Amino acid sequence: KAGVTQTPRYLIKTRGQQVTLSCSPISGHRSVSWYQQTPGQGLQFLFEYFSETQRNKGNFPGRFSGRQFSNSRSEMNVSTLELGDSALYLCASSLATSGVQYGELFFGEGSRLTVL
Amino acid sequence: KNEVEQSPQNLTAQEGEFITINCSYSVGISALHWLQQHPGGGIVSLFMLSSGKKKHGRLIATINIQEKHSSLHITASHPRDSAVYICAVVGRTSGSRLTFGEGTQLTVNP
Repeated sequence: KAGVTQTPRYLIKTRGQQVTLSCSPISGHRSVSWYQQTPGQGLQFLFEYFSETQRNKGNFPGRFSGRQFSNSRSEMNVSTLELGDSALYLCASSLATSGVQYGELFFGEGSRLTVL
Repeated sequence: KNEVEQSPQNLTAQEGEFITINCSYSVGISALHWLQQHPGGGIVSLFMLSSGKKKHGRLIATINIQEKHSSLHITASHPRDSAVYICAVVGRTSGSRLTFGEGTQLTVNP
């Protein structure tokens, strides 16, 4: 069974640009969540999608957005990039349901974003 | 004070030693995760628990809901156990939103 796949693995952008990251969950998993990891702030929850709907959101500005497609694949977008957005962006999928919103998490390898 | 506190922040052990990492949290929770992160960034879920105790190989996780405390134990530690161990909680009113501890850097020397 294929794991969680994130693309791209590495990318470099400049301030003001935007970036789109992709996450393909494990087959059958309908919940996809996104996380930002930085040396200063550690791991922080960005948002979670279930059946194409954003179900939970962390404390990030509106420049951070995401979506989920009917096949459960998810993308996140960061617009107007700032230096502080340099981070490892991780996604995870789970067998969470509409009734139980949490489950064991299966993480991708992450997308490492550098903003210059 | 952070909602999730881990101790110690850094831990160095000799191969074969018994290791304990602690996690305390301040909110009511639905579940608690223990995660392992190796250099390079990949994260592996070790346990998700909401009560009692779970065991997988040399790893044991316990949780005391009344005391808002969880422990991760590693028996017969090995250099390949060297990694960052992260505790994360799902608040009872948070849906799927996780709050993370700062992590414990474990180094096991041969």
